[in-house]
Amino acid sequence: QKEVEQNSGPLSVPEGAIASLNCTYSDRVSQSFFWYRQYSGKSPELIMSIYSNGDKEDGRFTAQLNKASQYVSLLIRDSQPSDSATYLCAVENSGGSNYKLTFGKGTLLTVNP
Amino acid sequence: SAVISQKPSRDICQRGTSLTIQCQVDSQVTMMFWYRQQPGQSLTLIATANQGSEATYESGFVIDKFPISRPNLTFSTLTVSNMSPEDSSIYLCSVRAGQETQYFGPGTRLLVL
Repeated sequence: QKEVEQNSGPLSVPEGAIASLNCTYSDRVSQSFFWYRQYSGKSPELIMSIYSNGDKEDGRFTAQLNKASQYVSLLIRDSQPSDSATYLCAVENSGGSNYKLTFGKGTLLTVNP
Repeated sequence: SAVISQKPSRDICQRGTSLTIQCQVDSQVTMMFWYRQQPGQSLTLIATANQGSEATYESGFVIDKFPISRPNLTFSTLTVSNMSPEDSSIYLCSVRAGQETQYFGPGTRLLVL
């Protein structure tokens, strides 16, 4: 059973702070990792993808991947109230032609003005 | 990224009835998926919709309950059959085009009474 674990939160940070979201996964052969943001009542929106060890930065967002530790994280710098949402970690197992995503339960982030 | 639409956006249904959800993409895509998101939960993959052949179902989901069609590379339907209140969920289709990751449609919010 492939599993993706996240702290459910809620995680509360003040506006302007760094929010740190963490995720671990069980399947060592996983190749691709994603962070989705989901506002209440909306569908998930892709915000970051990462495929190799290290950091990947996109604006205020930085994804970090450590395959040896089976760990992926998302940092949000200068957090804004509009960042308040549930953040879903997803892992893709591309064995053969099967590109299935396994999702964590999500971390609810609240950014306080 | 592809533009994805779903119909209906929401529905309230009586137990024992069936509902067919449509997913339309604005471009041809290689893979389409159907997910369920139960209240307060993360996303669970129901099946991969295969063009021109039977869908591939995940453990716990069967064709008799969730028949899926995919007549071409831009369209798929998911039917929720013989519904019970436990089927009340958000149903989401997603697409994967080429080497890109998955993008989600807006979802269909289903309430079964």
